[in-house]
Amino acid sequence: AQKITQTQPGMFVQEKEAVTLDCTYDTSDPSYGLFWYKQPSSGEMIFLIYQGSYDQQNATEGRYSLNFQKARKSANLVISASQLGDSAMYFCAMREGGDSNYQLIWGAGTKLIIKP
Amino acid sequence: GAVVSQHPSWVICKSGTSVKIECRSLDFQATTMFWYRQFPKQSLMLMATSNEGSKATYEQGVEKDKFLINHASLTLSTLTVTSAHPEDSSFYICSASPERQGTRETQYFGPGTRLLVL
Repeated sequence: AQKITQTQPGMFVQEKEAVTLDCTYDTSDPSYGLFWYKQPSSGEMIFLIYQGSYDQQNATEGRYSLNFQKARKSANLVISASQLGDSAMYFCAMREGGDSNYQLIWGAGTKLIIKP
Repeated sequence: GAVVSQHPSWVICKSGTSVKIECRSLDFQATTMFWYRQFPKQSLMLMATSNEGSKATYEQGVEKDKFLINHASLTLSTLTVTSAHPEDSSFYICSASPERQGTRETQYFGPGTRLLVL
């Protein structure tokens, strides 16, 4: 079974609009962390935001926020006021506390294209 | 922030040759380094996990004799693609984790290496 599911292969969004990228996860480990990364066409992986399973509040980092709904096992990324430079692949990933190597489990990614 | 470099960024080689890719953590000591492979329009696929001073742990389906990983120091890991063939052409990315601090610590990624085998 997929541990990280990103159901949107691609999205087109008008510049300056907000966009929500979906991510659902599956784990039985009570301690876990959820990450979002951005990968532009250059290939580098850019860390955007982190949410811990015990965090009481939703994470925010500038224009990025994470809509964490623990009961539904979802961790959607919200980008406010989208910009042309936001066009990229976006990956959701999870790290489980029971994994001694702290490997990241990756979703399939969502390709986001911002239209001018 | 933590910086990871990767060298080379681009390599083209002939079939049958070996290619070495270096991954360095520049301003921190990396307890663990990860090697990923990524095909176009796909997600990252973990190839192996290496801890300094010990043998790498390879994921199922990854040939350890084909993809040699050496993590000789806390700042350097190398991936050698031996006897490369066109099907080995891909984007290879390394990442490094500082001293473990639980689930919160992100992995820091290198810029990646694009390998093309002719």
